[in-house]
Amino acid sequence: AQSVTQLDSHVSVSEGTPVLLRCNYSSSYSPSLFWYVQHPNKGLQLLLKYTSAATLVKGINGFEAEFKKSETSFHLTKPSAHMSDAAEYFCVVTPNTGTASKLTFGTGTRLQVTL
Amino acid sequence: GAVVSQHPSRVICKSGTSVKIECRSLDFQATTMFWYRQFPKQSLMLMATSNEGSKATYEQGVEKDKFLINHASLTLSTLTVTSAHPEDSSFYICSARGGGGRARDTQYFGPGTRLTVL
Repeated sequence: AQSVTQLDSHVSVSEGTPVLLRCNYSSSYSPSLFWYVQHPNKGLQLLLKYTSAATLVKGINGFEAEFKKSETSFHLTKPSAHMSDAAEYFCVVTPNTGTASKLTFGTGTRLQVTL
Repeated sequence: GAVVSQHPSRVICKSGTSVKIECRSLDFQATTMFWYRQFPKQSLMLMATSNEGSKATYEQGVEKDKFLINHASLTLSTLTVTSAHPEDSSFYICSARGGGGRARDTQYFGPGTRLTVL
């Protein structure tokens, strides 16, 4: 079994300040973890993924996430928020079995960026 | 690379009619495609998983006779909502996962289709 908890449903930051979106997971298997971003009325875009290689993963648009097994966390960070980062962010887990596995989605975190 | 398209992006139909939504992987072969439904301000709900050339596997509570899925080729899957009703109105998103290369262990999502049933 696997599950994902996104600890904040809504995060608001000022432009130019750091972003932290929190995600905790549980998985019976060695997991693969993903962060996706969704802008209004759009599909999901992959930001970054962890698949048992380096624990610090760098993604697109300056985002990165660190896999911490001891804390079962995979928090998403960005040093400086931009207005265009305002969107819904989903943390996702799947068993790292190498086969077509189901994704388990978190409930999402809405990021608001203010001037 | 790893681009997935959906067509149409938006459709409005009358109650009782059927609507077909196409999902295509444009630059890789998708051995597995997934169909999701998303309600406003909610996360994605997996409806079904389809492997090329075989019957789709539906999640519990999803009516397979209402949501017909066909995955006839490695680049195309279709979702047909039959006898649509207003409660079927939703945002439908497909994703595709390839058999090799960068698409092997990652699902790439289409832009979604907004279905409104009057």
